[in-house]
Amino acid sequence: EPEVTQTPSHQVTQMGQEVILRCVPISNHLYFYWYRQILGQKVEFLVSFYNNEISEKSEIFDDQFSVERPDGSNFTLKIRSTKLEDSAMYFCASSLRDSSSYEQYFGPGTRLTVT
Amino acid sequence: GQQVMQIPQYQHVQEGEDFTTYCNSSTTLSNIQWYKQRPGGHPVFLIQLVKSGEVKKQKRLTFQFGEAKKNSSLHITATQTTDVGTYFCAGPFGSGGSNYKLTFGKGTLLTVNP
Repeated sequence: EPEVTQTPSHQVTQMGQEVILRCVPISNHLYFYWYRQILGQKVEFLVSFYNNEISEKSEIFDDQFSVERPDGSNFTLKIRSTKLEDSAMYFCASSLRDSSSYEQYFGPGTRLTVT
Repeated sequence: GQQVMQIPQYQHVQEGEDFTTYCNSSTTLSNIQWYKQRPGGHPVFLIQLVKSGEVKKQKRLTFQFGEAKKNSSLHITATQTTDVGTYFCAGPFGSGGSNYKLTFGKGTLLTVNP
C-alpha cells in the first residue's frame, strides 16, 4: 500500500539553526500539507500546497517557514531560524482530492527538538 | 474562525466496555473525518462522513454525522486493548474550494484496562 514517508525521523538542532524536513508524498496525490503536533496536544495545520504554490497557511506559518517541492517527488519544510517553541512532531500529509475523496494520508512524522 | 470541539478529553475503560467520543462544530461542515493516532504514531484516517444523518460502521466502530452536519460521534463497542489511542475528529476547510486543510479537535485519549 502506498504511504507517505518522512526523513529524518528525529532531528536535533540548536536554536537559531536552519532545518529542512523532508517528505515524499504518495505518488499520484496532488495536495500536500504540513502539520505539527506539540507533545500531548492536538494536530495543528501549518500549510497546504497545490500546483507548486501555497494554497493556505496558518498563523503559525510565519516568515521563518517555507515549503518547496524541488522535484517531482519531494516536499520539504524549511525553518530558517529555529526557536525553542518549534520543538514538535511535524507531519507531512498528502491527498488525492477527487470529487468524493478528501482523506489525508499522514507520514510517520519528524520529531524536531530545538535546544 | 471555525472550531471543532471534542469531548471527553480522556476516557479510561475496562476491556469490553463501550466508548464514545463526541465532536461538535460551530458551523455546518461539508464533511467530517475521524482519525486514530496510536501512542507515538501518526494520525491514520478512519472514515469520512458526508451526508446529513449518515451512519457508517467498521466492525466494532460506529460513526454518526448529525442531521445538521454540525456534530459527529464515534462509538466503539466492546473495547479491546488494540483500541488504545487518541481519536480525533477533523473538519475540512477550503480556500476557493480547491484545497483543504483539516482543523483537528483536541482528541479523546482512550486507554483500556485489560
